[in-house]
Amino acid sequence: SQTIHQWPATLVQPVGSPLSLECTVEGTSNPNLYWYRQAAGRGLQLLFYSVGIGQISSEVPQNLSASRPQDRQFILSSKKLLLSDSGFYLCAWSFPDRNTEAFFGQGTRLTVV
Amino acid sequence: AQTVTQSQPEMSVQEAETVTLSCTYDTSESDYYLFWYKQPPSRQMILVIRQEAYKQQNATENRFSVNFQKAAKSFSLKISDSQLGDAAMYFCAYRSAGSGYALNFGKGTSLLVTP
Repeated sequence: SQTIHQWPATLVQPVGSPLSLECTVEGTSNPNLYWYRQAAGRGLQLLFYSVGIGQISSEVPQNLSASRPQDRQFILSSKKLLLSDSGFYLCAWSFPDRNTEAFFGQGTRLTVV
Repeated sequence: AQTVTQSQPEMSVQEAETVTLSCTYDTSESDYYLFWYKQPPSRQMILVIRQEAYKQQNATENRFSVNFQKAAKSFSLKISDSQLGDAAMYFCAYRSAGSGYALNFGKGTSLLVTP
């Protein structure tokens, strides 16, 4: 069976510090991978998606970047965090076709202070 | 881009009663998938039910069912015999052929279940 791991669960970082959130998927190959952000009381906003190693598409211009160094690894990064980067970040994966749902990690609560 | 609208920020239902959560969407596609996800206080996203647009029959999963009206672009979720554990945020989502088949979410409906 497939599993998704996302870490850390909680992170408090000062403004201007770097960020690295990691997500890995087990039990499948060539998944589509996604990073979402959920602001307080809001829906999920798609930040990045990837359909293959090294292939990253950004949905929203911002202070963040994503990378996919391995088939089942997806990393969300920032060189210098802003206060507005605070939120709940969710990694998700899906099979590489449209006939299934997305499966989510447990999320990272990021607070920038 | 497809938009998903959930017009009810909050809903309340008594235990054992039935509640319906509304969702509308905008699309020019003819073949797509729709989903309802539940997000409890743990914030884990849990799939509740899925609907394939080419299927006219409404999907059902135990106490959860949908009313899918393709022409009206409406996709409501009915929860029967509500339980305290149903209390959560509920998100309607549309799966698009673009953006790597990413899900496009509504803003959610917070469901409160009272004893």
